Amino acid sequence: EVQLVESGGGLVQPGGSLRLSCAASGFTFSSYWMHWVRQAPGKGLVWVSRINSDGSSTNYADSVKGRFTISRDNAESTLYLQMSSLRAEDTAVYYCARVSTSGWNPLGYWGQGTLVTVSS
Amino acid sequence: DIVMTQSPDSLAVSLGERATINCKSSQSVLYSSNNKNYLAWYQQKPGQPPKLLIYWASTRESGVPDRFSGSGSGTDFTLTISSLQAEDVAVYYCHQYYSTVLTFGGGTKVEIK
Repeated sequence: EVQLVESGGGLVQPGGSLRLSCAASGFTFSSYWMHWVRQAPGKGLVWVSRINSDGSSTNYADSVKGRFTISRDNAESTLYLQMSSLRAEDTAVYYCARVSTSGWNPLGYWGQGTLVTVSS
Repeated sequence: DIVMTQSPDSLAVSLGERATINCKSSQSVLYSSNNKNYLAWYQQKPGQPPKLLIYWASTRESGVPDRFSGSGSGTDFTLTISSLQAEDVAVYYCHQYYSTVLTFGGGTKVEIK
């Protein structure tokens, strides 16, 4: 069974940093592109970032480019999101997600999310 | 970036009646080399992550009831719930995975009338 478990969320001050992790199990992690998607309280889904299967290619939403870095450790089956220069508008539940099948495909599996709150 | 515009923002439908949600993309998400529309629909219930319902615009994900159907091509798409059930109360999102920057629609909240 595919499982994605996010961790690392919490309360951080504006301008601060935080690293999110997503532990994957139940599949060959190194074979799949992975994504981060966020959802502000009471709002819609917003795609944040993507990383290819070997970590050599990444993409970001304009709103986080230059501040967030996605990475992965295929040996540990873990996805990361390093967030810096955090702003109040980054407050959201952050989901990690896996494409449904390898390749250019929709997001078929999602974790339960971890809440990041940026506030003084 | 491709902008996804959903309508309506919310709708209330009687049990057993049809619910229709529309989604329009600012540019085509049809890839000509394989004739596939890179368009998906998700259902999200309160406190839960999104669940994939439909992909390639009209292919139902395994285990999704057949009352859910997707249609459309290019820039205009529709999600139809043919006979609304109580468990279908949720927010529905369209999503394009055509470009390197993915985008979602703003969501449509479906409630029981």
